[in-house]
Amino acid sequence: NAGVMQNPRHLVRRRGQEARLRCSPMKGHSHVYWYRQLPEEGLKFMVYLQKENIIDESGMPKERFSAEFPKEGPSILRIQQVVRGDSAAYFCASSSEMDRGPGYTFGSGTRLTVV
Amino acid sequence: GENVEQHPSTLSVQEGDSAVIKCTYSDSASNYFPWYKQELGKRPQLIIDIRSNVGEKKDQRIAVTLNKTAKHFSLHITETQPEDSAVYFCAASGTNAGKSTFGDGTTLTVKP
Repeated sequence: NAGVMQNPRHLVRRRGQEARLRCSPMKGHSHVYWYRQLPEEGLKFMVYLQKENIIDESGMPKERFSAEFPKEGPSILRIQQVVRGDSAAYFCASSSEMDRGPGYTFGSGTRLTVV
Repeated sequence: GENVEQHPSTLSVQEGDSAVIKCTYSDSASNYFPWYKQELGKRPQLIIDIRSNVGEKKDQRIAVTLNKTAKHFSLHITETQPEDSAVYFCAASGTNAGKSTFGDGTTLTVKP
C-alpha cells in the first residue's frame, strides 16, 4: 500500500499563475480532505470530497480556489492567480470511514512557494 | 462550528520527565479525538486516538484521557526522549462532520 500520494512535493509559481496540486488517496479510501498549513501555524480545513462530490467546502476561500475528485484519477486542488499569501504547505488526507476513525493518513504535502 | 483550543503552545522538558498537553473542544457532538505528531518538514502522523465512549487509552509511553462533561482531553507522554521533540496537534471530529478541527499545536522540546 503506497499510502496517500501527493505531487508535486515542491511547487514554485509566480504571482498570477495557476497552481495544481494532486492527491491520490490510500487504496480503499474514498474520502479525501485538504488542509492548509501556513508557516509556524496549525492545520486549517479547506475541503472534504468523496468521488465526484464535494461534501464540505466551508474552509475554501470563495475566489480562486477549487477542488475536485473525479471518478477516475486523483483529487485536484486548483489555485488560480496565486498571490504571495497562498504560500503554504498543502496536505491531503484520506480516510475509509467518515466519522468513526481511524484518524487521517496524510500525504507528504505540497509546499507551494509564490514568488 | 467546532472550536478546539490547545495549551500550551510551547513546552520544554528534561529528558525522562513527563509532558502533558491539553485541549478543549466546543461541540458536544464531537466523538472522535486523534492526536498527531509532526516533525519539522514532515507530514502529521497519527500517534493515538480516543473515542467518546472511552475515558482513557494508553499505548506504551503515550496516553490520552477524555472528560466529556468538561469537554477536554489531554495527551500524556512519560519518560520523554529527545526524539519526542516535535509539534503535537489535537483534533476533534463528530458524527457526520467528516472533517477534523485541529488545535494550533504544541511545540515540545525534550532536552537531553
